[in-house]
Amino acid sequence: GESVGLHLPTLSVQEGDNSIINCAYSNSASDYFIWYKQESGKGPQFIIDIRSNMDKRQGQRVTVLLNKTVKHLSLQIAATQPGDSAVYFCAETDTQGGSEKLVFGKGTKLTVNP
Amino acid sequence: ETGVTQTPRHLVMGMTNKKSLKCEQHLGHNAMYWYKQSAKKPLELMFVYNFKEQTENNSVPSRFSPECPNSSHLFLHLHTLQPEDSALYLCASSAWGGAWETQYFGPGTRLLVL
Repeated sequence: GESVGLHLPTLSVQEGDNSIINCAYSNSASDYFIWYKQESGKGPQFIIDIRSNMDKRQGQRVTVLLNKTVKHLSLQIAATQPGDSAVYFCAETDTQGGSEKLVFGKGTKLTVNP
Repeated sequence: ETGVTQTPRHLVMGMTNKKSLKCEQHLGHNAMYWYKQSAKKPLELMFVYNFKEQTENNSVPSRFSPECPNSSHLFLHLHTLQPEDSALYLCASSAWGGAWETQYFGPGTRLLVL
């Protein structure tokens, strides 16, 4: 089965609110995690990443939190804007079998209401 | 734009047709990837090329045939496809092919197999 999944398939927020998108993973050996954003008609776009030796990393308006104890990853978007409406994917490295490749979750669709 | 272009953006083909998808990256990267994105499913890695050599074939049916003539170009040759192959095909590139790297995605080719 999938080693990466999302708690909620859709999330609707009001403009200006903070958004939290969650992701669970099952591979305790994963050591690198990435969040991607995919807008309609476009390919996934890198947002932020975090390595397993960290529990928090901040970017511009975005923060990623990693809880290795419960194998949980979250993306926080501050002051959500209409341009943030997209599908958000988490991904982890999968080093099993000697190959290193990204394994993606199904995605959460974020809708920002004006 | 991400520096990764894909053509065509949309393609409709019959099951007996032969077509090719093209990807070009202008980032000076050495690794290129093909992914399949189906509705309600996670991104599925298909192939990885590193310095023009195929390093990953994720159990992809032989009706999909990749070609990487140089580090900047990647093709996916399609023949005798099935309707279930209808999906968004995404190309990506990264600097060296390591799982710790950011992958930059193109906009994808939306394929419909009739």
